Amino acid sequence: AQSVTQLDSQVPVFEEAPVELRCNYSSSVSVYLFWYVQYPNQGLQLLLKYLSGSTLVESINGFEAEFNKSQTSFHLRKPSVHISDTAEYFCAVSFTGFQKLVFGTGTRLLVSP
Amino acid sequence: DAGVIQSPRHEVTEMGQEVTLRCKPISGHNSLFWYRQTMMRGLELLIYFNNNVPIDDSGMPEDRFSAKMPNASFSTLKIQPSEPRDSAVYFCACGGRGNEQFFGPGTRLTVL
Repeated sequence: AQSVTQLDSQVPVFEEAPVELRCNYSSSVSVYLFWYVQYPNQGLQLLLKYLSGSTLVESINGFEAEFNKSQTSFHLRKPSVHISDTAEYFCAVSFTGFQKLVFGTGTRLLVSP
Repeated sequence: DAGVIQSPRHEVTEMGQEVTLRCKPISGHNSLFWYRQTMMRGLELLIYFNNNVPIDDSGMPEDRFSAKMPNASFSTLKIQPSEPRDSAVYFCACGGRGNEQFFGPGTRLTVL
């Protein structure tokens, strides 16, 4: 069965420090990979996605994620976080030919001054 | 485009009452998903439609829940009768090309 694992439920970090949020998936078929962000009392917003091509994808606000097929990972990174990055981050995977997304349990990023 | 529209944004009701949540997806997106989010269970897919047809309703918790999509621009999720354990945030999302989904702002349901 396909699944997504986000090992860290919460990641505290100081402002301007680097951060990595981990995501691993299990699948025997080709996948599409996504990161979503949810700010308090809001819906999920698409942060970035990997469909094909370059394994390194970037968002407009400085986040990046790298698809590693051999390690079945899609970790999210940012070299310097801001207070405003405090939110919950969800990794998700879908399988080519299927529209349904499988979500991880989420990682809460807490950025403090 | 206004994005996915959900109404109401907040709903407070008493146990036993019928609750209807509404969703208007982004025009041209042919798949629609209903999710429920709680602290205990996280994000759960309840049901999804493709071209207005229900494809997978295996996540619908019980017969008290029903969902319809009478046309491409409107969907409802109904709970009848509602129970306190149904309290959650309910999200509607629609699917674009490349399998990404676009979420609405959610409806926060409280059943007393």
